[in-house]
Amino acid sequence: DAGVTQSPTHLIKTRGQHVTLRCSPISGHKSVSWYQQVLGQGPQFIFQYYEKEERGRGNFPDRFSARQFPNYSSELNVNALLLGDSALYLCASSWTGTAEAFFGQGTRLTVV
Amino acid sequence: KQEVTQIPAALSVPEGENLVLNCSFTDSAIYNLQWFRQDPGKGLTSLLLIQSSQREQTSGRLNASLDKSSGRSTLYIAASQPGDSATYLCAVANNAGNMLTFGGGTRLMVKP
Repeated sequence: DAGVTQSPTHLIKTRGQHVTLRCSPISGHKSVSWYQQVLGQGPQFIFQYYEKEERGRGNFPDRFSARQFPNYSSELNVNALLLGDSALYLCASSWTGTAEAFFGQGTRLTVV
Repeated sequence: KQEVTQIPAALSVPEGENLVLNCSFTDSAIYNLQWFRQDPGKGLTSLLLIQSSQREQTSGRLNASLDKSSGRSTLYIAASQPGDSATYLCAVANNAGNMLTFGGGTRLMVKP
């Protein structure tokens, strides 16, 4: 069985640009969460979606948005990129929003 | 606001040693606690999940305990191997179970 898949694996963007990151959950999982991990720190919660509805939002600016599709895949969008948005973006899926979380390999975003 | 602390931040041990990694959290109203492993530049691999009503979980050479009232968890690794070298992260789920708060991790190196 495929695990959580994220695309792209690496991305370089210029300040002010927009980026879209994608995540496909494990088959049968209905919840997807997004986390940002800056080098040397633990991941920080951004969003959780369950059954296509937002169930949680972390302390991130409105430049960050996300959505979940009918097939339970998800997109994370970041507008007006800043240098400080450079990080590893991790997607996690779980069967329900409260069950064990399984993470993908992440998307490494570099903003120059 | 939940805060999660992991001590030590880094640990270097010779192969074969038994070791304990510590995790403390400030708010005991948690849904569950997960331990993860992260290899450099990679995603997170789930090791153990302890529900808030449980005291410990075991998987192979790993044993995790949870003392919710004191806000502590430990991850015990028996007979460490060089392949155990990685960063170990603990994460607590909030009472709604929809958000993980991570510690900063313990970077473990097991020397042959």
